[in-house]
Amino acid sequence: QVQLVESGGGVVKPGESLRLSCAASGFTFSDYYMSWIRQAPGKGLEWVSYTSGGGSTIYDADSVTGRFRISRDNAKNSLFLHMNNLRAEDTAVYYCARMAMGQFDYWGLGTQVTVSS
Amino acid sequence: EIVLTQSPGTLSLSPGQRATLSCRASQSVTSSYLAWYQQKPGQAPRLLIYGASSRATGIPDRFSGSGSGTDFTLTISRLEPEDVAVYYCQQFGRSPPITFGQGTRLEIK
Repeated sequence: QVQLVESGGGVVKPGESLRLSCAASGFTFSDYYMSWIRQAPGKGLEWVSYTSGGGSTIYDADSVTGRFRISRDNAKNSLFLHMNNLRAEDTAVYYCARMAMGQFDYWGLGTQVTVSS
Repeated sequence: EIVLTQSPGTLSLSPGQRATLSCRASQSVTSSYLAWYQQKPGQAPRLLIYGASSRATGIPDRFSGSGSGTDFTLTISRLEPEDVAVYYCQQFGRSPPITFGQGTRLEIK
């Protein structure tokens, strides 16, 4: 069965960096677009970034452009989110999700990122 | 940017009743790229409906989606206590390519 497991979250100070990972299993990872979506405390869902199966197509939300970078390692069935210059407003649960026809058909349980001085 | 506006913000109904949730887009959305998600308290979201009207794997037929263009609806017939959740619509399209509605909170009396 499809499984997505995020890791790498934690507490960091403003301006610091963090790398999130998502380990995928149960499907042919390279066949699918993958995405990161976040949810600030008590708020709704916000799409962050997606990448195509081969990694050649990448799209970021305006709120993270220039600070976050999505990448993937298909040999290791892994998705990453490199987050730089973190701000308080980046505090959220970050979900990894598989994409199919522009929709998110499987989600991980999420990893918490807290940015606080 | 395509803005999705969901209504009502909160819906409070009794078991067995029908819930009708609305998602209105600021511009036309391709039906193939309109989805609905359910997020129960403390859980990750789950795909309910894709392509505006197709149920995802394992979703009971009490859940149905409809609509086109700028107006989409999620209907939950015969509400059960386990349906307590926040429901989100989402579209994939033009830049920025992906947006979510702000959510509708469903309460069961």
